[in-house]
Amino acid sequence: DIQMTQSPSSLSASVGDTVTITCRASQSVSGFLNWYQQKPGKAPNLLIYGASSLQSGVPSRFSGSGSGTDFTLTISSLQPEDFATYFCQQTFNLPRTFGQGTKVDIK
Amino acid sequence: QVQLVQSGAEVKKPGASVKVSCKASGYNFTTFYIHWVRQAPGQGLEWMGIINPSGGSSSYAQKFQGRVSMTRDTSTSTVYMELSSLRSDDTAVYHCARALSLGGFDIWGQGTMVTVS
Repeated sequence: DIQMTQSPSSLSASVGDTVTITCRASQSVSGFLNWYQQKPGKAPNLLIYGASSLQSGVPSRFSGSGSGTDFTLTISSLQPEDFATYFCQQTFNLPRTFGQGTKVDIK
Repeated sequence: QVQLVQSGAEVKKPGASVKVSCKASGYNFTTFYIHWVRQAPGQGLEWMGIINPSGGSSSYAQKFQGRVSMTRDTSTSTVYMELSSLRSDDTAVYHCARALSLGGFDIWGQGTMVTVS
């Protein structure tokens, strides 16, 4: 199974900050990497698919980059509604695996 | 609109089975694979398996092999996930999710809380 490791596990930031979350795969997943946002009591919401493609309806302050084993999610100009937990996921092969999550809270 | 609607919360005793349904609407049911993902309280996301609604074929995470079964009913656009021999550590919210062709899960069910106690 491909292991996905996110860093950091949590971070504190202020409204307007730029936030970067990284995700590393234990082997290459090519560009088959997705990012999700999850708020308490809700299902995850797809933000980025294929490493860098913005899902329809997602604000452009979210962006993704990377390929192979190293990926980044960047949130530019953090908004109050962005305080949540973020997960990466590989869809290169089965089993699909997720990172452990990064919680972004208010400084 | 495109949505997946799941069945309601369940409380089960250890050793019992649970069957959760996931009804699709707003799109061609047989076009997109459906995955099941669970999340224990305060924990991360755990992938359980995938079903092809078109042919009915499925594949499961090794952890659940022998305990999980995913089926579908094309007449009602519904997929089912049955988990047997329940243990207390199966207590979790269970989600179904639709997969895009490039792999991301773009539509999620609202989740079904299964409590084993």
